[in-house]
Amino acid sequence: GAGVSQTPSNKVTEKGKYVELRCDPISGHTALYWYRQSLGQGPEFLIYFQGTGAADDSGLPNDRFFAVRPEGSVSTLKIQRTERGDSAVYLCASSFLGGANNEQFFGPGTRLTVL
Amino acid sequence: AQSVTQLDSQVPVFEEAPVELRCNYSSSVSVYLFWYVQYPNQGLQLLLKYLSGSTLVKGINGFEAEFNKSQTSFHLRKPSVHISDTAEYFCAVRNYGQNFVFGPGTRLSVLP
Repeated sequence: GAGVSQTPSNKVTEKGKYVELRCDPISGHTALYWYRQSLGQGPEFLIYFQGTGAADDSGLPNDRFFAVRPEGSVSTLKIQRTERGDSAVYLCASSFLGGANNEQFFGPGTRLTVL
Repeated sequence: AQSVTQLDSQVPVFEEAPVELRCNYSSSVSVYLFWYVQYPNQGLQLLLKYLSGSTLVKGINGFEAEFNKSQTSFHLRKPSVHISDTAEYFCAVRNYGQNFVFGPGTRLSVLP
């Protein structure tokens, strides 16, 4: 079956621009997670959705970052006024339920480069 | 707060040799423990996880890990590695608050 998909796979933008990154979770998965992986580091938690609502957004670094999941499936991570430090691979994961012991399935990521 | 330490950033090993990738964590509450593998240009894939019960956990591709509560460790081992095991390996912990905390990763390079 289809896994988690993310689009685009690569995004190059200029400092100050706005970007949107999309995540399509596995069908039927109620929980969705966003992570950021900087070069040479492990993924860093950003935000967790249970259904349509953000259950935990404590990992968002500042108010330039925002994410939505209006219908409880596809999610969009939005970054305003991008900075060079935002360059990273943005990973999305989904799980059937949101419990801590439920396996998360990861997408291939979107590589964001801010020039 | 939780944290995960992977002491070895890179581990080179010859094919068919055994390997151990080290992971230590700190947490004030009980946690679940995971190992993920990331092949080049691919998403993270779950290797194995410890939730409860037996402290020796077996995963895919011949990997296993042992949870040691007193040493707060969850080291990953494989008795005989293959070229195809070359990848980045991440140890992670989760608590009842749902969020993963990942270690910085260990790059395993299997040499012919």
